[in-house]
Amino acid sequence: AAGVIQSPRHLIKEKRETATLKCYPIPRHDTVYWYQQGPGQDPQFLISFYEKMQSDKGSIPDRFSAQQFSDYHSELNMSSLELGDSALYFCASSFEQGAWYGYTFGSGTRLTVV
Amino acid sequence: KQEVTQIPAALSVPEGENLVLNCSFTDSAIYNLQWFRQDPGKGLTSLLLIQSSQREQTSGRLNASLDKSSGRSTLYIAASQPGDSATYLCAVRPASGGSYIPTFGRGTSLIVHP
Repeated sequence: AAGVIQSPRHLIKEKRETATLKCYPIPRHDTVYWYQQGPGQDPQFLISFYEKMQSDKGSIPDRFSAQQFSDYHSELNMSSLELGDSALYFCASSFEQGAWYGYTFGSGTRLTVV
Repeated sequence: KQEVTQIPAALSVPEGENLVLNCSFTDSAIYNLQWFRQDPGKGLTSLLLIQSSQREQTSGRLNASLDKSSGRSTLYIAASQPGDSATYLCAVRPASGGSYIPTFGRGTSLIVHP
């Protein structure tokens, strides 16, 4: 079965650079969520989209932005990167209309800022 | 604000033992609870999803129970194996408040040694 696809798997950037993370949800899933997970931490919710519209916003820094496109894939744009942005970034998708089967997570993008 | 606590934070057991991992949450108004497994540096794999109207779910050697009124869920792992070594996280999805973003616990880090 198709899963949530994230790219790239690994990314190394220097301070003050920008990064773009991509997420391709499970087909027919209408909601995408972005999470940030620091070392030894639980996943922290950043932002979500339902039917291509932002639906919820969590602890996402102003330097970050995200959008969901017409094909339902989503991109997380990160600017002016800081060392503290180094983390594992997860995307998850779900189907919110009708019966609800939980969240499916991607394998994540490991971002290292040097 | 929903708070999710997982106990113990870490567990090391010999192979073959039956285990109980605990997840407690402060707000009992939940839509469902989902247990995930996370291998080091990897994504979250869904193990079991319990809707608020259910008391338990089973998958193979895993059994998850939910007592919504007391704010508790347990994940029972029978006959543990070294391959079960991972971090186990529970996530609670709220039933009210207009937001359906799940809150994660910090996880239980499990090591099963041969």
